[in-house]
Amino acid sequence: DAGVIQSPRHEVTEMGQEVTLRCKPISGHDYLFWYRQTMMRGLELLIYFNNNVPIDDSGMPEDRFSAKMPNASFSTLKIQPSEPRDSAVYFCASSLVAPDTQYFGPGTRLTVL
Amino acid sequence: DAKTTQPTSMDCAEGRAANLPCNHSTISGNEYVYWYRQIHSQGPQYIIHGLKNNETNEMASLIITEDRKSSTLILPHATLRDTAVYYCIVRPPMDSNYQLIWGAGTKLIIKP
Repeated sequence: DAGVIQSPRHEVTEMGQEVTLRCKPISGHDYLFWYRQTMMRGLELLIYFNNNVPIDDSGMPEDRFSAKMPNASFSTLKIQPSEPRDSAVYFCASSLVAPDTQYFGPGTRLTVL
Repeated sequence: DAKTTQPTSMDCAEGRAANLPCNHSTISGNEYVYWYRQIHSQGPQYIIHGLKNNETNEMASLIITEDRKSSTLILPHATLRDTAVYYCIVRPPMDSNYQLIWGAGTKLIIKP
């Protein structure tokens, strides 16, 4: 298996623009997680899905952030409009059954100017 | 808030065993101890987990004290590629509000 796939790996955009991050989980994994990592706040869970259904989105910072999982092999995290404080590395992770052993993707480094 | 306490950083000589401590004095009876690591510019990587008994896999060994208030991750023969931030996490049983709390971890530097 190729592991968790994220795209793009790097994104540079200007404030106010829409940003869409993409994730393909490991085939057969029922759980998908979106994290954000910054030097100041460390690794933060934004939202997670079970069988394509959002279970907990309490970590989503504000309404500018939204996440979808239209099918078992694809998820998106959208920021609209983006702000400089959204600059971070965004990770997607998936797990097989119980949400414990998570497998992370390589991350998307987002820079908002 | 994080439920674990780890040293901020540690050094270890290449080829020696690296012993990374973690305190989790408030751990409950049904909470697991998980270890992940994050190599620079990569996503976190699962290492090992345990509940009560010591565990060993191809990457590391996990020693949990009898009272379960602390644990030690052991990398038996550290290499330069083991330089990373190591996270000790207490994981509650699966429930509808499951969430891993990631602390700052221990930055382990393996020196040649």
